[in-house]
Amino acid sequence: SQTIHQWPATLVQPVGSPLSLECTVEGTSNPNLYWYRQAAGRGLQLLFYSVGIGQISSEVPQNLSASRPQDRQFILSSKKLLLSDSGFYLCAWSTFGADTGELFFGEGSRLTVL
Amino acid sequence: GQNIDQPTEMTATEGAIVQINCTYQTSGFNGLFWYQQHAGEAPTFLSYNVLDGLEEKGRFSSFLSRSKGYSYLLLKELQMKDSASYLCAVKDSNYQLIWGAGTKLIIKP
Repeated sequence: SQTIHQWPATLVQPVGSPLSLECTVEGTSNPNLYWYRQAAGRGLQLLFYSVGIGQISSEVPQNLSASRPQDRQFILSSKKLLLSDSGFYLCAWSTFGADTGELFFGEGSRLTVL
Repeated sequence: GQNIDQPTEMTATEGAIVQINCTYQTSGFNGLFWYQQHAGEAPTFLSYNVLDGLEEKGRFSSFLSRSKGYSYLLLKELQMKDSASYLCAVKDSNYQLIWGAGTKLIIKP
């Protein structure tokens, strides 16, 4: 069966510090991968998605970046965090070419920038 | 612009029925999803509608009217564990998901 894991689950970082969130998927190959951010009272905001190794599409220009060094690994990074980067970050995958394209989410990472 | 509207919060009684509405205005339509999200956890998939009508899955049902840009999620025989946020999302003409802000459902004994 397919599983998705992301870490760390929670982190508190000072403004200006770097960030690295990691996500891995098991039990499937060539998945579509996504990074979302969820702010309180707002819908999920798509940050990045990837349809293959090294292929990253950015939906929102900001100080975050994403990389996909391996087929089932997706990393969200920042060189210098801002206060506005605080939020709940979710990694997700879907089956490439699937009719419904439902998303399967990781456990989430809650980031607090102080 | 693209917009998904759903009520911010609803309250219902254990054992009762509740209907959560979702209206959408998107550039194209390629399906509508409902997800459940418990506080502090990730969303989990509940249902998918792409054709008009009602889809039933146990205690949960989802309805779609494409001409009206409208969907609802119906929860029957409510249980305390159904207390959660319910997210409506529409896949647009580019197959990108547009998300509503979610409806927080509070179940009272």
